[in-house]
This record gives sequence, C-alpha cells and structure tokens, in this order.
Amino acid sequence: QKEVEQDPGPLSVPEGAIVSLNCTYSNSAFQYFMWYRQYSRKGPELLMYTYSSGNKEDGRFTAQVDKSSKYISLFIRDSQPSDSATYLCARSMEYGNKLVFGAGTILRVKS
Amino acid sequence: DAGVTQSPTHLIKTRGQQVTLRCSPKSGHDTVSWYQQALGQGPQFIFQYYEEEERQRGNFPDRFSGHQFPNYSSELNVNALLLGDSALYLCASSWGQEPPYEQYFGPGTRLTVT
Repeated sequence: QKEVEQDPGPLSVPEGAIVSLNCTYSNSAFQYFMWYRQYSRKGPELLMYTYSSGNKEDGRFTAQVDKSSKYISLFIRDSQPSDSATYLCARSMEYGNKLVFGAGTILRVKS
Repeated sequence: DAGVTQSPTHLIKTRGQQVTLRCSPKSGHDTVSWYQQALGQGPQFIFQYYEEEERQRGNFPDRFSGHQFPNYSSELNVNALLLGDSALYLCASSWGQEPPYEQYFGPGTRLTVT
C-alpha cells in the first residue's frame, strides 16, 4: 500500500464548479499535510498546508484533514480555467523535512 | 525576492555518463531537498542537506550524491546514468529543521538519458 494515494483523474469540471480533490494516507504518524499545484513542465507550487485535523481556508481554497479516516481534501470554489493543473498532496512527519507525495490528480476546468 | 532557481533547464546525456545539477535556494532558506519526478508520478525524495551535511536520504542508490555549499546552494550528482534516470529533478528549499517544513520548489531540470 502506498503511503499517500490519489485518484489520478483526469477530473473535468465546468468553470465555476466546486472541485473536491482527495487523498488517503496510511501512516497515522503523519503530522503536516500539504497541497501543491503543478502546471505542465513547471515545478510544484505550494498552495497551503494543514496540521493534524481540521480545516484551513485561503481565498477560494479550503484544505481539510480527517485523521480518524486518514483522508485529506482540497476544495476549490468558483473554479477557473487557470486552475487546470495537476494537484499533489503530500505529508511530512513531525521530525524531519522529507515530503511523501501522492501521484497527483489532473484537473481540467472547461470554460 | 528570487525564488528557488535551478540549472540547467534541460539536459541530454548518454547512458553511463555523469551529470551535475545545481540549485540556489530561496532567499533566507538554509535547507535544500532534492526530488525525482518521473512522468505521471509525484516527486520522490532523494535526499536533504542542512548545514552542509546530508540529513535524510530516500531510497536511492549511492550513484546519487550531493553537496551543499556555505552559501546554502546545492548540487546533485548522478553517476553511471541509466535510462531509468530520465526524469524531472526538482530542488526544494525551506528554513530550519522545525515544522511545518514549508518547502518551495524550483522549476526543475529535465534530464533525458539516451
């Protein structure tokens, strides 16, 4: 079982839709969870991170962690064509800086 | 404020050769991590440097080695290149060794081994 799993998609939605992107993880010792956005042929861009459980909101983006079910979610409100990219979830341990990534979900927002 | 920079952008090498990739961290960052990203996959952790020492290492063979300089910049060296080493090599920088470990990535170096 991979440590972090994501549905690769592609996920195709119309402009303005609410997007839900999800990851599951297998190691309950995970502490920090990150979401990165990666455009084609570019490096990943940090969107936001959350610690432990709960929600964190930043503009149109909301990150949610449910430690009881080992589930991580990223919600995008009012999606735009510029949101079309690959979204990567990652986790880090409390000690040590190593990030473990999922394979990424391809998102396509159609205008 | 310059972000993470990497050089070169693209590189084509022949199997068996050696390659050196370079990274300059974001201003104010002192920790550099290297990742390998194969097509259609998430980045895989290679190793991390802090205070000019390798602090953590992923599941990569000894053909992969690195170095960090006093100005915090870093190099990744790969010896005896294999076709399977073809990938996007990403450098990420962060500050210190305490959480939340926000890592910022550079644009990557695309290595093709023929």
